[in-house]
Amino acid sequence: QKEVEQNSGPLSVPEGAIASLNCTYSDRVSQSFFWYRQYSGKSPELIMSIYSNGDKEDGRFTAQLNKASQYVSLLIRDSQPSDSATYLCAVRELTGGGNKLTFGTGTQLKVEL
Amino acid sequence: SAVISQKPSRDICQRGTSLTIQCQVDSQVTMMFWYRQQPGQSLTLIATANQGSEATYESGFVIDKFPISRPNLTFSTLTVSNMSPEDSSIYLCSVEAPGQGPPDTQYFGPGTRLTVL
Repeated sequence: QKEVEQNSGPLSVPEGAIASLNCTYSDRVSQSFFWYRQYSGKSPELIMSIYSNGDKEDGRFTAQLNKASQYVSLLIRDSQPSDSATYLCAVRELTGGGNKLTFGTGTQLKVEL
Repeated sequence: SAVISQKPSRDICQRGTSLTIQCQVDSQVTMMFWYRQQPGQSLTLIATANQGSEATYESGFVIDKFPISRPNLTFSTLTVSNMSPEDSSIYLCSVEAPGQGPPDTQYFGPGTRLTVL
């Protein structure tokens, strides 16, 4: 069974700090990785996508991928109260799994004033 | 990215009845998916809605319980049949639209919150 694992949290950080969210996955052939943000009562919205090893930056967000360690992370710099949400890691296989994504259970982030 | 709408946004139903959820996209998309998100849980894929053919169901989900239609490239329906309280969940439609965002990316509709009494 292919798995995507995240610490459920809650992860609490003070406003202005860096929030670090982590995700591990079990399927070595996975090629596409995504971070979604989900506010309570809302549907998931895409934050970042990453496809190759290394870092990818977009504004205050940086995604990091290490395929050898089967590890993907999301850093949020200068955290704001509006960043408080559940962050879902999603992994897609290149072959065999069709076009489906496997989601982690999500990490709840709380940014405190 | 594609704009996705779902109807109804929420409903309260009696056990034993069925509910059909609609998903409409403002552009033609190749792939449409249906997910379930139970309270406090992550997303679980129910099935991939294939245009012009039967849906592809994931393990644990069957066509008799969750019949799906996809008559064209912009519309799909999911029916939750013979409902029980265990079907209370948020049901989400998602689409994959090559050329409208990063590769392989899925975008989600607003969801349908279902409560079964």
